[in-house]
Order: sequence, then structure tokens, then C-alpha cells
Amino acid sequence: DAGVTQSPTHLIKTRGQQVTLRCSPISGHKSVSWYQQVLGQGPQFIFQYYEKEERGRGNFPDRFSARQFPNYSSELNVNALLLGDSALYLCASSLDYGYTFGSGTRLTVV
Amino acid sequence: GDSVTQMEGPVTLSEEAFLTINCTYTATGYPSLFWYVQYPGEGLQLLLKATKADDKGSNKGFEATYRKETTSFHLEKGSVQVSDSAVYFCALRGGGATNKLIFGTGTLLAVQP
Repeated sequence: DAGVTQSPTHLIKTRGQQVTLRCSPISGHKSVSWYQQVLGQGPQFIFQYYEKEERGRGNFPDRFSARQFPNYSSELNVNALLLGDSALYLCASSLDYGYTFGSGTRLTVV
Repeated sequence: GDSVTQMEGPVTLSEEAFLTINCTYTATGYPSLFWYVQYPGEGLQLLLKATKADDKGSNKGFEATYRKETTSFHLEKGSVQVSDSAVYFCALRGGGATNKLIFGTGTLLAVQP
């Protein structure tokens, strides 16, 4: 079975631009969560979606938004990018209470 | 709020040395506890978990025991290998609708041959 897949793996954006990151969960997993990992720190919770509904949101500004599609894949959108948004963005899918992480998308804002 | 504190790194050991990485937590209720490992350029992999007090999680020679009285979940391995070099994250999953994971800051382990 394929694991959690994220795309793209790397991207570079300019301050003020918008970015969309994508995640495909493990087949059968209905919950997707997003985490931001700044270099040298632990991942921070951004969003969780279950059955296309937002279940929780971390302490991130409204520039961050997400959605989940009928096939349970998910997108994370970040508007008006700041230099501080440079990070590894991790997606995790879960069936019950266990989380499986993807390899992440490395976003660099210049 | 809930939080996780783990020892700062880097931890540098010689091959076959004993490893301990300390982790303590603050949480309301009875969280589940996890250790994740992150190899260079990769995402997070679940190493082991414990869901209630006195549970011992183990995997690939690593062990950690859920100690409610000391709110700790220290990671140990009797004999480390060069291939164990990675960043190790302690995490808890509290209650609530999201069951989100709260991570420590990570500890870099470097094992030298």
C-alpha cells in the first residue's frame, strides 16, 4: 500500500505569494492533519480534517486555510507568504488514533 | 496547556553505547505518549507508543515506559548503532475532538563508529 504522499516535495516562493500544498492519505484513512516544522523545532499542529469537516485548528493566522475532498485528499493553502512561513509542512493521515506521516513539503520563502 | 519537554541535543555517542533521551510532559487527563524518529530529509516515523500508565513501548531495541508519577517517558536503547543517528521527538496526544499531537523540540542523536 502507498503511504501518505505529499506534493510537491520542495518549492520556493516569494514573499506575498500564495502556495498550495497537497496530501493524499493512506487508502481508507478518513482523517488528515497538517503540521508545520520550522528548522530545529518540533512540528506544530495547523489543522485536522475528518470526513471533509474541520475538526481542529492550531494557533495559526487566517492566512492558513485547508480543505478535504470527497476522496479524503487534502490541500493546505497559505496566502501572503512571509519569510517566517519557511518550513517543512507535514501531512499525517489516521484511521483511528494512529498517525502516519508523509515525507513533507519543504517550503522556502525568499 | 499540554506540553512536552525533552533534553536538548546533540547527543553524541560511540557505537554500542547506552542511550537515554529524557522526556517529561504536562497534560490534563491521561494522554497517550509517543516517540517519533526523523532521518535526514525525511518525514516522521513512529518509533513506539504507550497509551496508559506503566505501559512499556518497544521497537527496534528502543524502549520507553509511561511513568505517570514522574510524568516521564524516557527513551532508552542498550546498544546504539550508526544507523540510529537521527532526530528523536517525544510527543503526546491529549483528549478532545482533534486528538492532535504535541511535540517536544527534538533531540539530535549522532552515533560515531
